[in-house]
Amino acid sequence: DIQMTQSPSTLSASVGDRVTITCRASQNIISWLAWYQQKPGKAPKLLIFKSSSLESGVPSRFSGSGSGTEFTLTISSLQPDDFATYYCQQYNSFSLTFGGGTKVEIK
Amino acid sequence: EVQLVESGGGLVQPGGSLRLSCAASGFIFNNFAMSWVRQAPGKGLEWVSTMIPGGRSTYYADSVKGRFTISRDTSKNTLYLQMNSLRAEDTAVYYCAKATPSTVFDYWGQGTLVTVSS
Repeated sequence: DIQMTQSPSTLSASVGDRVTITCRASQNIISWLAWYQQKPGKAPKLLIFKSSSLESGVPSRFSGSGSGTEFTLTISSLQPDDFATYYCQQYNSFSLTFGGGTKVEIK
Repeated sequence: EVQLVESGGGLVQPGGSLRLSCAASGFIFNNFAMSWVRQAPGKGLEWVSTMIPGGRSTYYADSVKGRFTISRDTSKNTLYLQMNSLRAEDTAVYYCAKATPSTVFDYWGQGTLVTVSS
């Protein structure tokens, strides 16, 4: 199975900060990577697919980049609604796997 | 509007069985892969199983292979997960998710809690 490692596991930031989350794959997944946002008690929400494609309706302050084994999710200016946990997911092959998550907290 | 509504969760003893259902609406059910993803209390997301459009192929995580079975009833627009030989480590919220052709989860249900405990 392809292992997905996210860092950091927790991130403290303030409104307006630029935030970057990293996801590393244990083998080459080309650009088959998605990012999700999850708030407590809610289902995850798709933000980005194919490494850098923004899902419809997702604010443009979210962006993704990377290929191969290293990927990043960037929030250009953190908003109050963005405090949540973020997960990456590879879909290069079955078994599909998620990263361990990055919790973005208020500083 | 796409809607996915899970049901069937509850408390079950170790070794027991449970069948989850996911009622789908707002899209052509048989045209899309459907999946189950779970989340243990306070933990991250874990993919469980996927059924390809038309029900031709099914895939399972190693942790559930041989114990869980995914199926769909296209006449009812409903996805199922039959869970047998349940273990304490299967305790989780189980989400039903619609997948894009590339197996990205673009719509999710609200989840149903399965608790395996004596």
